[in-house]
Amino acid sequence: QSALTQPASVSGSPGQSITISCTGTSSDVGSYNLVSWYQQHPGKAPKLMIYEVSKRPSGVSNRFSGSKSGNTASLTISGLQAEDEADYYCCSYAGSKVFGGGTKLTVL
Amino acid sequence: EVQLVESGGGLVQPGGSLRLSCAASGFTFSSYWMSWVRQAPGKGLEWVANIKQDGSEKYYVDSVKGRFTISRDNAKNSLYLQMNSLRAEDTAVYYCARALRGDYWGQGTLVTVSS
Repeated sequence: QSALTQPASVSGSPGQSITISCTGTSSDVGSYNLVSWYQQHPGKAPKLMIYEVSKRPSGVSNRFSGSKSGNTASLTISGLQAEDEADYYCCSYAGSKVFGGGTKLTVL
Repeated sequence: EVQLVESGGGLVQPGGSLRLSCAASGFTFSSYWMSWVRQAPGKGLEWVANIKQDGSEKYYVDSVKGRFTISRDNAKNSLYLQMNSLRAEDTAVYYCARALRGDYWGQGTLVTVSS
C-alpha cells in the first residue's frame, strides 16, 4: 500500500497546458483501468475530475483529460485558467485504494 | 441532490475511541460502495477504509487494521467508522465518499487526538 508518486508541484501560464503524472506499480495503476483524479481547493472537499483513467463526470470541463501508459497515469489540463490553481490527487481503486501524494498546481 | 454529512469528530485523548457517522441522502445508499478518506493537517489524502454495498466486504489501510471498523446501516442510509486505540497520527479531517471512484464527498469532520 505504498502511495502513488506525483510531482510535488507544477506550474503554467493561463492558456497553456500542463500534465501531472502519477506513477504506481503493476499491482495498482498498471493492473486496472481504475484510476481517478481529484481537485482540491484550500479548505474544501476533493472533487472528482476523472475516473476510470479517462472518463469525465458530468459537469467537469473538457479541458481536463486523463490517460494511462503502463504503470503511469496522467492528468492533462489544457487552456489553463486561474481557477484551476489547486491541489490534484490521483487514486488507484479496486477493492482497496491508494492515493498519490498530491501535486500543487500554480497558475502563473 | 446527493448529500453526505459527516459528524462525530472532536478532541480525544490518545488511546481513546470515537465513532464517526456519515448521513447520506439524495441517492440509493444501498447501491454503492462507500469509503472513508482522511487528510492530516497540511498533508495529502489517505484512504482509510471501504465497505461493499451489503457490508460483506471491507478493506482497510494497514495503519488502522485492528483499530478501526467500518460499517453501514442501509435502512438508516448511514455509514460509520468506529475508531479505537486512537493515536496522535490519526489526527485528520475524515471524509466519507460515495462509490469506489469517489464521485461525491462530504465536507469532513475533524478528529484531533491529543492529551
